[in-house]
Amino acid sequence: EAGVTQSPTHLIKTRGQQATLRCSPISGHTSVYWYQQALGLGLQFLLWYDEGEERNRGNFPPRFSGRQFPNYSSELNVNALELEDSALYLCASSSGTLVGAFFGQGTRLTVV
Amino acid sequence: GEDVEQSLFLSVREGDSSVINCTYTDSSSTYLYWYKQEPGAGLQLLTYIFSNMDMKQDQRLTVLLNKKDKHLSLRIADTQTGDSAIYFCAGASGGYQKVTFGTGTKLQVIP
Repeated sequence: EAGVTQSPTHLIKTRGQQATLRCSPISGHTSVYWYQQALGLGLQFLLWYDEGEERNRGNFPPRFSGRQFPNYSSELNVNALELEDSALYLCASSSGTLVGAFFGQGTRLTVV
Repeated sequence: GEDVEQSLFLSVREGDSSVINCTYTDSSSTYLYWYKQEPGAGLQLLTYIFSNMDMKQDQRLTVLLNKKDKHLSLRIADTQTGDSAIYFCAGASGGYQKVTFGTGTKLQVIP
């Protein structure tokens, strides 16, 4: 069974540009969670999608947004990139709770 | 919101037991989790404990929960070099909607 897959693995963008990160959950999982892991910091919760709807978001500005598609895959968009957005972005999927949530390998976003 | 704190670093000798500690602030946390992150990899759910439990054992892993002190610990028996990783404690309060992670404890196992 395929795990959670994220693409791309690495992304380099210039300040002010937009970045799009993608996540494919494990088959049968309807919930997708996005986290930001900045260097020296723990994981910060970004967004939770379930059944195509945004269920909760963390304390991030509106330029962080996303969506979940009918096949439950998800996209995270970061507009007007700032240098401090450089981080590892992790996606996790579950069947509705974080018990048994599985994480992808992450997308390393570098803003220069 | 929830705050979760961990010590940043722990070094143990191979074969010894490791104990990684975590404190949290929200007494209404329903689930408390331990995740492992190896270099360059995502997070792997190791184990979890419900807030109405005091202890959970899973092979070499023992989780202890002290609700009064809001303290959670992960004990790894017979620590191996393959256990070297960053361990994250996490808590979910107000249901499953949002999980707060600690900053992680880097475990170094010395052969």
